Amino acid sequence: EVQLLQSEAEVKKPGESLKISCQASGYSFTGEWIAWVRQVPGKGLEWMGIIYPGDSETKYNPSFEGQVTISADHSIRTAYLQWNSLKVSDSGIYFCARRPVGQFFRMDVWGKGTTVTVSS
Amino acid sequence: EVVLTQSPGTLSLSVGERATLSCRASQRVNTNHLAWYQQKPGQAPRLLIYGVSYRATGIPDRFSGSGSGTDFTLSISRLESEDIAVYYCQQYDRSRYTFGQGTKLEIK
Repeated sequence: EVQLLQSEAEVKKPGESLKISCQASGYSFTGEWIAWVRQVPGKGLEWMGIIYPGDSETKYNPSFEGQVTISADHSIRTAYLQWNSLKVSDSGIYFCARRPVGQFFRMDVWGKGTTVTVSS
Repeated sequence: EVVLTQSPGTLSLSVGERATLSCRASQRVNTNHLAWYQQKPGQAPRLLIYGVSYRATGIPDRFSGSGSGTDFTLSISRLESEDIAVYYCQQYDRSRYTFGQGTKLEIK
């Protein structure tokens, strides 16, 4: 069974750093893309960026570029989303999702989400 | 950036009725790159439809998608109470994915 296991909820202060994770199982990790999607409570979905763990090619939504870093460690089948200096506005739920290679660009398997709360 | 506008914002129907959800794009969308997701309260989104009209694995045939160009539709025939959720359309264009703002489906 294909699964994406996300790290637990985090509570941080503004200015702190954070790295959340998404561990994949049940498929070839290096052969499919992993996307990160943000959801502010009560709001919609925002695509943040995507990484191909096979060669670490990464693409960012311009709205998030420079604000976060997406990376992957294929030796432990894990993708990461990282902040160097959190803001209150970074609070939200962060989902990772698999985007299979091929002609159809869709996110077919999702993690349960990691809630990030940034508050002083 | 391709902007997706979904309508209506909220749809209230009875069990057994048919739901029709709209997704309009600001520019023409490649049909291979248009998908629909269902998000129930407290859950992650779930892929329903991809490539405009292909049902994802395990999705009942009550769900169907159609459309082309800039206008796309998700239809749910014979509504069930478990269909209460927010539905999002999504597209990909020029290395960027965008989602619509969602349609909330309520059961009367």
